[in-house]
Amino acid sequence: GDSVTQTEGPVTLSEGTSLTVNCSYETKQYPTLFWYVQYPGEGPQLLFKVPKANEKGSNRGFEATYNKEATSFHLQKASVQESDSAVYYCALGPTGANTGKLTFGHGTILRVHP
Amino acid sequence: DPKIIQKPKYLVAVTGSEKILICEQYLGHNAMYWYRQSAKKPLEFMFSYSYQKLMDNQTASSRFQPQSSKKNHLDLQITALKPDDSATYFCASSQPGQANSDYTFGSGTRLLVI
Repeated sequence: GDSVTQTEGPVTLSEGTSLTVNCSYETKQYPTLFWYVQYPGEGPQLLFKVPKANEKGSNRGFEATYNKEATSFHLQKASVQESDSAVYYCALGPTGANTGKLTFGHGTILRVHP
Repeated sequence: DPKIIQKPKYLVAVTGSEKILICEQYLGHNAMYWYRQSAKKPLEFMFSYSYQKLMDNQTASSRFQPQSSKKNHLDLQITALKPDDSATYFCASSQPGQANSDYTFGSGTRLLVI
């Protein structure tokens, strides 16, 4: 079955430093890849998604490139802020019909201190 | 205004009892889902419905029964509750066939079984 593996957390950073959260996946399909962010007491919110290999997604300074050869989708941000503290999930899902399950990684807790 | 309403937000239940988790979405979506998030596991897909029909069931136990009384409702009935059922249950929705439609999650129902 499908699986997603991501950086074990928590990741603790100072404001202004750079972030990388690794994500690798296994699937036999041609998935769309997602990054979700979850704040305490809320459901996951889409950060961005990338449906095609070799393309990049970005939002709010975060970015990730869909690397089909390496089966990776690493999340990066050049300069984190305290408000970025949250749990980040890498996920894969079906492409095309936009229905069907998402397979999530375990999530990476990010703590940014001033 | 919340686009996906989940009720109740918190729920405490006694082992062996039955509860219904409510989900209503006001996004006009025709696909709805249930996911579970527990302390030791990532977000796990449970069910998907499309146009009020069950599309996928990844829940081993028949104690979990989704109920779709209306197009924008997908409730989750859980019978014979066990302490292991303690988790946060998230409802989500999307629009099948629209590549730009995103999965949107509710804020969850946190269930504690004692």
